[in-house]
Amino acid sequence: NAGVTQTPKFRILKIGQSMTLQCAQDMNHNYMYWYRQDPGMGLKLIYYSVGAGITDKGEVPNGYNVSRSTTEDFPLRLELAAPSQTSVYFCASTQTSTGNTIYFGEGSWLTVV
Amino acid sequence: AQSVSQHNHHVILSEAASLELGCNYSYGGTVNLFWYVQYPGQHLQLLLKYFSGDPLVKGIKGFEAEFIKSKFSFNLRKPSVQWSDTAEYFCAVNEGTGGKLIFGQGTTLQVKP
Repeated sequence: NAGVTQTPKFRILKIGQSMTLQCAQDMNHNYMYWYRQDPGMGLKLIYYSVGAGITDKGEVPNGYNVSRSTTEDFPLRLELAAPSQTSVYFCASTQTSTGNTIYFGEGSWLTVV
Repeated sequence: AQSVSQHNHHVILSEAASLELGCNYSYGGTVNLFWYVQYPGQHLQLLLKYFSGDPLVKGIKGFEAEFIKSKFSFNLRKPSVQWSDTAEYFCAVNEGTGGKLIFGQGTTLQVKP
């Protein structure tokens, strides 16, 4: 039972570099989410998707991009990394919005130096 | 815009004390409500959820929460906390039809043995 899989788990980036955080789920979930978690700030929604081909901005989308070409995959791209993007990133998925359990990935620790 | 507010940022209790963590949200339509817990070094786990029916919801590990629509609140309670309840607790709100899932900033609970 893979659930929600995120890669990489840890990454150090230099300012201005680009990278993609991968997220895949094998539960055929429609809804997928990307959050960042900073100390004392809780989880902030970056982008979300309600199905393949559909994405929408969350609370803090600036500096990020996403795509949802398949139901399974929801990659998060950082185009020009900045120190403010140092954070822990969580991908999550759920079947519908009406009370189903949400499954989280293990997290990706990103440091921008 | 939809938002979630957790009033207590850091709570310290002795074992066997009663717990109540506040959560208020700002969205006038149908909502689904969640409480998640994050133990040190672990990812988020679902404690309980509300999406319809009885406004008093019982979850795992003796936790319960009450949805009071008129107050836009979904407070988490436990009659007697244990040292093992030391963790960070997050309230989350999902619009009934939209899919956007927003988290509060979290409450750190420290239970002293």
